[in-house]
Amino acid sequence: DSGVTQTPKHLITATGQRVTLRCSPRSGDLSVYWYQQSLDQGLQFLIQYYNGEERAKGNILERFSAQQFPDLHSELNLSSLELGDSALYFCASSVEAGGRGTGELFFGEGSRLTVL
Amino acid sequence: GENVEQHPSTLSVQEGDSAVIKCTYSDSASNYFPWYKQELGKGPQLIIDIRSNVGEKKDQRIAVTLNKTAKHFSLHITETQPEDSAVYFCAARPNYQLIWGAGTKLIIKP
Repeated sequence: DSGVTQTPKHLITATGQRVTLRCSPRSGDLSVYWYQQSLDQGLQFLIQYYNGEERAKGNILERFSAQQFPDLHSELNLSSLELGDSALYFCASSVEAGGRGTGELFFGEGSRLTVL
Repeated sequence: GENVEQHPSTLSVQEGDSAVIKCTYSDSASNYFPWYKQELGKGPQLIIDIRSNVGEKKDQRIAVTLNKTAKHFSLHITETQPEDSAVYFCAARPNYQLIWGAGTKLIIKP
């Protein structure tokens, strides 16, 4: 158990809809990262938050948005869903902003989104 | 920007044999190189990492080597076991973000 909690584990929805994925980081971790993993694909970095502020942006679509709340949990909002958005969405947390220490990321078990 | 290439994409080895996965990176500023293992249905988990001031690091059956001149690093797994079957990801960190390889699916044949 990594200590990172993601909900929901599975989600099935229709094209055009909007969903929200939630992540609770490990106790004490200030950074939250969101990744997308399509079938048999690698990890695509979407966005990182550190202590409530956006820290880095990757290949995140304009239809997607995220935020980190004062209690450090994070939500990833996906809107106007398309078939191609079907994927596993992982949240990871780390104690630091990056660049110092070991920088180990602790991943949750993911939220599997299916868009029909 | 940094680019990390990982080979092979799939590796099948006999149980008990060794497995080697290789990654190359492009940015000489990269100073931290972790390897993550992703088991089926789970999130990736760090298994070993190495910093740019070290050439090799071992942890039981797992070792990582780094060649800064050639800009490549490798994961070595000896005496492979069924539980080593997974997808392995390498990564490099040139600044404060990890750049990931595409992953290697390791299959251990009984």
